Amino acid sequence: GAGVSQSPSNKVTEKGKDVELRCDPISGHTALYWYRQRLGQGLEFLIYFQGNSAPDKSGLPSDRFSAERTGESVSTLTIQRTQQEDSAVYLCASSIQVSSTEAFFGQGTRLTVV
Amino acid sequence: DAKTTQPNSMESNEEEPVHLPCNHSTISGTDYIHWYRQLPSQGPEYVIHGLTSNVNNRMASLAIAEDRKSSTLILHRATLRDAAVYYCIPTQTNTGKLIFGQGTTLQVKP
Repeated sequence: GAGVSQSPSNKVTEKGKDVELRCDPISGHTALYWYRQRLGQGLEFLIYFQGNSAPDKSGLPSDRFSAERTGESVSTLTIQRTQQEDSAVYLCASSIQVSSTEAFFGQGTRLTVV
Repeated sequence: DAKTTQPNSMESNEEEPVHLPCNHSTISGTDYIHWYRQLPSQGPEYVIHGLTSNVNNRMASLAIAEDRKSSTLILHRATLRDAAVYYCIPTQTNTGKLIFGQGTTLQVKP
């Protein structure tokens, strides 16, 4: 597709379950970002992949959160043993490598932990 | 990461110009200045970016202070669709990592 695609668009899960969120970046974009946005709050940086470099995981809030990226394509954000405070919209973005270019965001996955 | 200071909120009347300020006094010499906006219930979208010179595109203009410690996003004629949260983001050249602050919530009145 032409844009960043995220799936599912909505996810309701029970507390304690694991969830996987998927992001398909724009083809050819080497940089990929994950953010979390709680209701009424700003975007929290989670993790950043840049080509073959080691990912910047400095924003992951706990060891329950992890993310992987296969080459320069799809990325998966995994949240283990979900808690109610994990309820948020999870946004993915991609960009061409250099910082002078723009990032394109997906529509996000709304995660609700009940 | 360079810290930014933006007003929490601003108001504008429809079809009037809007100047959205941002202070980024700790910006490094090679950081680009990006502006993004987030419309209600949507993901952020790119608005404009620059390094030293003022920049114009179809959406807005970006005026960068000579010392690069501040910048101003200019919407020449605000429309109701421009109501959004506007984020000013200095971005490191070697990483491109985008760190969002709290931004400015712009309200546009008809």
